[in-house]
Amino acid sequence: GESVGLHLPTLSVQEGDNSIINCAYSNSASDYFIWYKQESGKGPQFIIDIRSNMDKRQGQRVTVLLNKTVKHLSLQIAATQPGDSAVYFCAEKGSMGSASYGKLTFGQGTILTVHP
Amino acid sequence: NAGVTQTPKFQVLKTGQSMTLQCAQDMNHNSMYWYRQDPGMGLRLIYYSASEGTTDKGEVPNGYNVSRLNKREFSLRLESAAPSQTSVYFCASSEVPGFRTGEHEQYFGPGTRLTVT
Repeated sequence: GESVGLHLPTLSVQEGDNSIINCAYSNSASDYFIWYKQESGKGPQFIIDIRSNMDKRQGQRVTVLLNKTVKHLSLQIAATQPGDSAVYFCAEKGSMGSASYGKLTFGQGTILTVHP
Repeated sequence: NAGVTQTPKFQVLKTGQSMTLQCAQDMNHNSMYWYRQDPGMGLRLIYYSASEGTTDKGEVPNGYNVSRLNKREFSLRLESAAPSQTSVYFCASSEVPGFRTGEHEQYFGPGTRLTVT
């Protein structure tokens, strides 16, 4: 079946470094890809999304890159801070007209630890 | 504006017992969702409601039922709890269809941690 997965289950960085979290996806028909951040004991929180016809989108300190050729998604966090420590999930949204329209399929997650 | 609220926060059940997890949102969103999250895994969709009056199965619906009571409330019921249903349950809401970037945010509640012994 279709799935979204992550290459690296854990990532440790020093405060101030840039972080890159990767995600592989298999459903070419998804029309949006989304990154969520989940802090310990809380529900996931939306970070940024990107449409399937885009290669790059930037937010505040974050950049999402989409490589459709190799079905790869990444989240770059600039000047990582201790408050960025969390589990990061990528998710894909089913395209209009598909059985999964409007529904998100989540990957397993990457644990990001930022050391002061 | 409380966002998405869930009750209870914690629950312990014995095998075979039933319970209902409550969820409410005050953002006037059309769509609501129930997910479960198991250790080391991402969220898996149990059921969703695209709009008031409609519900549909997600990836892992077996053993669960849902009710979209009104636009604000979406409940999840376990009729006969099993140890395999031990998990953290998250409710979420969103506006769909979300035609533009930035419109795919699902707002999540704080979760209900359920243990079935």
